[in-house]
Amino acid sequence: KQEVTQIPAALSVPEGENLVLNCSFTDSAIYNLQWFRQDPGKGLTSLLLIQSSQREQTSGRLNASLDKSSGRSTLYIAASQPGDSATYLCAVSPLYALNFGKGTSLLVTP
Amino acid sequence: DAGVIQSPRHEVTEMGQEVTLRCKLISGHNSLFWYRQTMMRGLELLIYFNNNVPIDDSGMPEDRFSAKMPNASFSTLKIQPSEPRDSAVYFCASSLDSHNEQFFGPGTRLTVL
Repeated sequence: KQEVTQIPAALSVPEGENLVLNCSFTDSAIYNLQWFRQDPGKGLTSLLLIQSSQREQTSGRLNASLDKSSGRSTLYIAASQPGDSATYLCAVSPLYALNFGKGTSLLVTP
Repeated sequence: DAGVIQSPRHEVTEMGQEVTLRCKLISGHNSLFWYRQTMMRGLELLIYFNNNVPIDDSGMPEDRFSAKMPNASFSTLKIQPSEPRDSAVYFCASSLDSHNEQFFGPGTRLTVL
């Protein structure tokens, strides 16, 4: 069974810092990897999708990388802002459904 | 497009009652997923439909849970009878096909007393 681990579980940084969130998965046979953002009491917002044949994807201040062979992905957030405070979830798709990590809870302080 | 729509947003019911959760897919999407989120277990797949056909229901906890997709744009998840351990947030997600980006609805927060 695919296991997805996210480190750290929680992170607090001052505004303006660049930061990296980590995701690892146990089975490299995946179709894609997706990063989500979840605000308290809200649904999931898709941030980036990386297909298995891709190495990275970028959207604004976000950059996600994928190393399928080593079972790792990182989400890089540049110049963090208080509005980035949320839980970030990594999910891999070995077949069709998503297997989720438990998330990294990010707090960006002014 | 309004995105994936779920109703109700919140549901509080008593143990033993029937609960029906509803989901409207994004137009043109042919894959539909129901997930459940709890503090203990995180997000887990309950059931997956492709072109209105249930493909994988291995995540459905037990016979008390059932899901239908009567047409290409609408799905229901029913719990009968409900139990306190069913309390969770239930999400519906849709995608263009089974290997594309999944878009989630706002979720239904279910509390069973």
